[in-house]
Amino acid sequence: QVQLKESGPGLVQPSQTLSLTCTVSGFSLTSNSVHWVRQPPGKGLEWVGAIWSGGSTDYNSALKSRLSISRDTSKSQVFLKMNSLQTEDTAIYFCTRSSYTTGLGYWGQGVMVTVSS
Amino acid sequence: DIQMTQSPSSMSVSLGDTVTITCRASQDVGIYVNWFQQKPGKSPRRMIYRATNLADGVPSRFSGSRSGSDYSLTISSLESEDVADYHCLQYDEYPYTFGAGTKLELK
Repeated sequence: QVQLKESGPGLVQPSQTLSLTCTVSGFSLTSNSVHWVRQPPGKGLEWVGAIWSGGSTDYNSALKSRLSISRDTSKSQVFLKMNSLQTEDTAIYFCTRSSYTTGLGYWGQGVMVTVSS
Repeated sequence: DIQMTQSPSSMSVSLGDTVTITCRASQDVGIYVNWFQQKPGKSPRRMIYRATNLADGVPSRFSGSRSGSDYSLTISSLESEDVADYHCLQYDEYPYTFGAGTKLELK
């Protein structure tokens, strides 16, 4: 069955770089796009970015200068890297599989990232 | 970027109520709207896709509709398990954008 699982450090220092991994199973990254969505504590959902089945990427306009999404298809992994982290980047980060027609379907459990010294 | 203006931000509800939540898109997004339900400590669950289609396993008391640039999620005969946060998403154009969310609370 389709599964996604996020992993990464729970705590990152301000101005440092966040690196997260989304490991997927039950589907191929070359046939599906994977998105990242984040949710600050007690707040709404924010679309972060995506990597398409062909490997191209799209990013949130406000995060674009700090953000990179890549993948390793042989390992079924998608990576998020965000630099110059600030306290406002504290959030639960989810990865989710997308279909162009049906939108964001399967979601990972999320990983909490706290930006603090 | 397309803005999805979601209302209300919170709603006090009673079991058995009919509840309607609305998102207004700042420009045309066609039918490409999702609705998600999210319970505390859980990942979002897709309830509606393509504005009006019920996702697999979603009870028939949930429905989605569209009127122009307004998209609505309606819950008929609210049950206790429906008390949650709800979010809309437009996926017509990048960057995708979410509404600010609606919190349902029991009276």
